[in-house]
Amino acid sequence: AQTVTQSQPEMSVQEAETVTLSCTYDTSESDYYLFWYKQPPSRQMILVIRQEAYKQQNATENRFSVNFQKAAKSFSLKISDSQLGDAAMYFCAYKGRGHTNAGKSTFGDGTTLTVKP
Amino acid sequence: DTEVTQTPKHLVMGMTNKKSLKCEQHMGHRAMYWYKQKAKKPPELMFVYSYEKLSINESVPSRFSPECPNSSLLNLHLHALQPEDSALYLCASSLGSARKNNEQFFGPGTRLTVL
Repeated sequence: AQTVTQSQPEMSVQEAETVTLSCTYDTSESDYYLFWYKQPPSRQMILVIRQEAYKQQNATENRFSVNFQKAAKSFSLKISDSQLGDAAMYFCAYKGRGHTNAGKSTFGDGTTLTVKP
Repeated sequence: DTEVTQTPKHLVMGMTNKKSLKCEQHMGHRAMYWYKQKAKKPPELMFVYSYEKLSINESVPSRFSPECPNSSLLNLHLHALQPEDSALYLCASSLGSARKNNEQFFGPGTRLTVL
């Protein structure tokens, strides 16, 4: 079974600074997808960024970028120029392509990010 | 229309009640999901529908009964729930088959309290 580990329950960052959230996963599959989702307090969960395992290039979305290390099974999220609106719980998620787990996403326990003004 | 809507926003029910949660999307998505989320915890997958057929049931107790009447609508029927079933119930949808890498669009959730 796949597992996703987020080792930092809480992180804080000063506004305008950079922060990196860690995520590691365990899988025997060679092809899969990885996602970072953001869930602000009392608001909807939204996708921040996604990475396909077969792509070597790290995904980037504006201030958000990932460091995908397939051999190390690591998928960290870097937030640059942090803004107050980035404060949220961030979930790392794994989605396999195998038949037995088709459609199933496995989420990490989440990292609560606080942004200090 | 790029959103997933869920009704009701809040629901309080007794252990003998029968109620239903409703989820709707009009984005043409063919995969729909039910998750249960406890406070400060990740979502736990309950059910996945792909092209209106149930493709995953994560060994959910039978007191939860999903239904997908059409490609835009997903229901979760509740009966004889327990207090530990109190949680935020999230609906999500994604384009195409659930097997694709498409992102999930989440609804705001229904906050369920079982007395």
